[in-house]
Amino acid sequence: DAKTTQPTSMDCAEGRAANLPCNHSTISGNEYVYWYRQIHSQGPQYIIHGLKNNETNEMASLIITEDRKSSTLILPHATLRDTAVYYCIVRVGYGGATNKLIFGTGTLLAVQP
Amino acid sequence: DAGVIQSPRHEVTEMGQEVTLRCKPISGHDYLFWYRQTMMRGLELLIYFNNNVPIDDSGMPEDRFSAKMPNASFSTLKIQPSEPRDSAVYFCASGDRRLAGANVLTFGAGSRLTVL
Repeated sequence: DAKTTQPTSMDCAEGRAANLPCNHSTISGNEYVYWYRQIHSQGPQYIIHGLKNNETNEMASLIITEDRKSSTLILPHATLRDTAVYYCIVRVGYGGATNKLIFGTGTLLAVQP
Repeated sequence: DAGVIQSPRHEVTEMGQEVTLRCKPISGHDYLFWYRQTMMRGLELLIYFNNNVPIDDSGMPEDRFSAKMPNASFSTLKIQPSEPRDSAVYFCASGDRRLAGANVLTFGAGSRLTVL
């Protein structure tokens, strides 16, 4: 699986958009970008995933660059409850030979009042 | 659906004791994963099952750890004997291969284990 690089931490003002970047320059053609988050003392929570087109759901938007070497998760109106560690994971979409979702260190997003 | 159910939520035990953690996955999911989380090592995948069969246990730290899935609605992770370094939060997660090949996982709330 391709390696991802994320900033260790970021701040965002409540009510503003939070833009979380992820670099995955070695991504291959059949690998998707997945985003999870983990709020303190809870289990990780799936947010969104995409291959090459931008995606949006009720939680967030995912913008993937045309060369697919980086992506941005956007929380349009961050609230204090969005304070969490956000994980960007690159993975073959349908498991490939194995189904191991490996979490890195992620980005700690702190939403400030 | 009530989601992935884990028990106990908290366990405090003494070194050398046996610990059994339990997980009930979401009905209909065909994949089940056990993860462990510590401050030092982050989230580590221990083992995963597909259709109740263990597929990859390469993350299991040593022979003291064992996991079983006797049926589609129940799994256990056992540590015998437990050691202080096993103190961690253990998460169970389940997935459906029809949802991005089971890369979209639903996690339980976790079992926090403290070994004294």
